[in-house]
Order: sequence, then structure tokens, then C-alpha cells
Amino acid sequence: SQQGEEDPQALSIQEGENATMNCSYKTSINNLQWYRQNSGRGLVHLILIRSNEREKHSGRLRVTLDTSKKSSSLLITASRAADTASYFCATDKGNKLVFGAGTILRVKS
Amino acid sequence: DTAVSQTPKYLVTQMGNDKSIKCEQNLGHDTMYWYKQDSKKFLKIMFSYNNKELIINKTVPNRFSPKSPDKAHLNLHINSLELGDSAVYFCASSPTDFYEQYFGPGTRLTVT
Repeated sequence: SQQGEEDPQALSIQEGENATMNCSYKTSINNLQWYRQNSGRGLVHLILIRSNEREKHSGRLRVTLDTSKKSSSLLITASRAADTASYFCATDKGNKLVFGAGTILRVKS
Repeated sequence: DTAVSQTPKYLVTQMGNDKSIKCEQNLGHDTMYWYKQDSKKFLKIMFSYNNKELIINKTVPNRFSPKSPDKAHLNLHINSLELGDSAVYFCASSPTDFYEQYFGPGTRLTVT
């Protein structure tokens, strides 16, 4: 079964608005990562947050991690049309990374 | 200057054929991976390999086999292709296990 599951499955917002995506997982982790995938392209690493961290920032991205709830959120502030993509969380399980099904974000200009 | 490259980008073939997808990384990473992404965008790891160990996802049919001629390359060989093998295959690399991974552009395989 999947380790990480994103919510919502799809999100449509206007340019300039904030977008929040959530990820829930089932077992304890060492770290959690977020990736972006533009249509027809490979995944691009966005941010890695370790299990002993609660929040991390990178530019317009803010990631939080709540290990007690086994959940993480990715916030994209002041969204742009170029942020339109699928976003995946990935957690380590045993000896591999397990990716969720992703959230499809559409930013309308 | 592509960090992780794959060839070919598109591969159309018939059932029963044998095919290979090549992957190269110029990042000096120790670990390389192969993933399969299905039509619902679900990404599943198939193999991870460093110069010490090959780890195989148990759900992967033994028709799939990775071959690493050197640290910078991890090719994927597929024998007796089936319709269900149609998907996008991604190669990735990382400096070590569970670190951030760098993905190639993907190879879209279509089996007819």
C-alpha cells in the first residue's frame, strides 16, 4: 500500500492565491520529501524535511511536518501560472522512497 | 549539461519483443533507481542500485532487469514485453539512499 497519500487530488486556483497540499503517511519516517512534476517531464525535488524538523522554507514554498499526526503540508504562496504541475510527497519506507499519488495543481492566469 | 539523461524518450514496440532503456547520470551519485509511472501518475520504484547492492522491488516481474556497466549508468532491460508494461519509466539518482533524487526526463513505453 502507498506510504504517502496527497490531498486534495486536484486543486484549481487563481494566480496570486496560495495553494496548500497535504500528505498523510502510515509508518514512522526519517524524512519526507516533496517533488514537482510538470506535464511530460521528470520529477524535480523541491524540499526535504527531516523527522526532527517541524517547518522548512524555500522561496515561496513552506513545508510543515507533524509526526504525531503523520502528516505534512506544502504551501505555495503567491502562486504563478508556472506552478501548474503535479506535486508528490515521498517518504522513506524500509530501503526505498514511496511516492503518493500526487496533487494536480492548476493555476489560472 | 543534463544531470540525468535517458534514451529513448519514446519507445513503441510489439508484445513479446525485448527492449532496453538507457540511463546516465553525470552527478557522481552513488545510487541510481528505476521507477514506473502508470497512467494514473502513480510512481512505483522498481530497482535501486549502488556499487554495492541491487535492491529489487518484489512486485517487479523478473522480465525486468537492471544492468550497470559502471557507476554512471543503469540500463533497464525488459524481456517478452506485455501490454501492461506500457507506462512512463523514469531513471533517477541520488548521492546516497533517501537523499533528494534527481530524475531523468522519462521514457514513454507503448506496447502494442
